Amino acid sequence: KNQVEQSPQSLIILEGKNCTLQCNYTVSPFSNLRWYKQDTGRGPVSLTIMTFSENTKSNGRYTATLDADTKQSSLHITASQLSDSASYICVVSPRSGGYNKLIFGAGTRLAVHP
Amino acid sequence: NAGVTQTPKFQVLKTGQSMTLQCAQDMNHNSMYWYRQDPGMGLRLIYYSASEGTTDKGEVPNGYNVSRLNKREFSLRLESAAPSQTSVYFCASSASGGGQPQHFGDGTRLSIL
Repeated sequence: KNQVEQSPQSLIILEGKNCTLQCNYTVSPFSNLRWYKQDTGRGPVSLTIMTFSENTKSNGRYTATLDADTKQSSLHITASQLSDSASYICVVSPRSGGYNKLIFGAGTRLAVHP
Repeated sequence: NAGVTQTPKFQVLKTGQSMTLQCAQDMNHNSMYWYRQDPGMGLRLIYYSASEGTTDKGEVPNGYNVSRLNKREFSLRLESAAPSQTSVYFCASSASGGGQPQHFGDGTRLSIL
């Protein structure tokens, strides 16, 4: 069964520190992998999207990496800010099956403390 | 830009009541989606509409119906609400027919007692 698992479930860091969130998937083959940020009480907002052939994609202080051999992706946040407090969701799109087959991870809840 | 607008934001229902969740987008997008988000689980697709006039079932369609009223609006109806349908419901849209969701609304928090 295709799965997307994220770790840790939750994380607390101090403002200004870096952190890395993990996403392990069993979906194969896949078309792309996307990271979303979801603020409390809001809908998800896309941060990065990578095709299966890409290794890294950046969006400001957010850098996503992809290792298709180990089926792992990570989201690295540099110099964290209080506004980074949110849930981060990894989503994998299988190559077959279309957009209605997207597989969402359960998310990592990040809290940035002053 | 409003993007994707969902109404209502909160709702409490009793078991057996019916309700329609409204969604509208102002980006002239072709595809629209309804997802539900439950604690500890990833978003799950309920129904989607690749273009005006078409709708298809997603992963968890039982207990729900949808209407693509026009290109802008996509509503989700619960005919006889059950406690298992307590969830946060998100509407989303994308420009291309059949594309991945690009923009999400802020959700409707629905509690069924």
